Amino acid sequence: KQEVTQIPAALSVPEGENLVLNCSFTDSAIYNLQWFRQDPGKGLTSLLLIQSSQREQTSGRLNASLDKSSGRSTLYIAASQPGDSATYLCAVTNNDMRFGAGTRLTVKP
Amino acid sequence: NAGVMQNPRHLVRRRGQEARLRCSPMKGHSHVYWYRQLPEEGLKFMVYLQKENIIDESGMPKERFSAEFPKEGPSILRIQQVVRGDSAAYFCASSPLEGGYSGNTIYFGEGSWLTVV
Repeated sequence: KQEVTQIPAALSVPEGENLVLNCSFTDSAIYNLQWFRQDPGKGLTSLLLIQSSQREQTSGRLNASLDKSSGRSTLYIAASQPGDSATYLCAVTNNDMRFGAGTRLTVKP
Repeated sequence: NAGVMQNPRHLVRRRGQEARLRCSPMKGHSHVYWYRQLPEEGLKFMVYLQKENIIDESGMPKERFSAEFPKEGPSILRIQQVVRGDSAAYFCASSPLEGGYSGNTIYFGEGSWLTVV
């Protein structure tokens, strides 16, 4: 059974810092991995989707990497802003999509 | 093209009542997924449906919970005789094909927040 773990559970940084969020999964036979953002009381917004054959994806200040063999992914956020404050979830897809518990990010002005 | 629509967005039920949550997938999407998010936890898979078929319900509690996706109309997640522990956010997602096999992005709705008092 696929288990997805996200570390750290919470992170607080000053504005402008570069930061890395970590995601690990136990079953490397995945089709893709996706990073989502969730604001309090809101739904999920897809940030980046990495297919199993890919190593990374970039969108603006976000860069996600995937190392399928070691069961790891990282989400790199450059030059963080207060507007980046949210919970970040990673999810891996085998036959269904399994989520980590998320990392709650606070970026202080 | 409207996104995944869920309603109601917020629902309050007394213990023992029934809760019905509705999900209209994106236009052209025939695959629907339901997830539950308990406070301070990640999303937990509940059920995966195609039109008129339940494909995978391995995440559904054995009692009181049921889901359907009829040929016409929205997908319904039904919780009978609700208890306080059912209080959670319930998210619906849809995809045009089997999201995993095709590598397609799965699109999420805004969620339905159920509070049992």
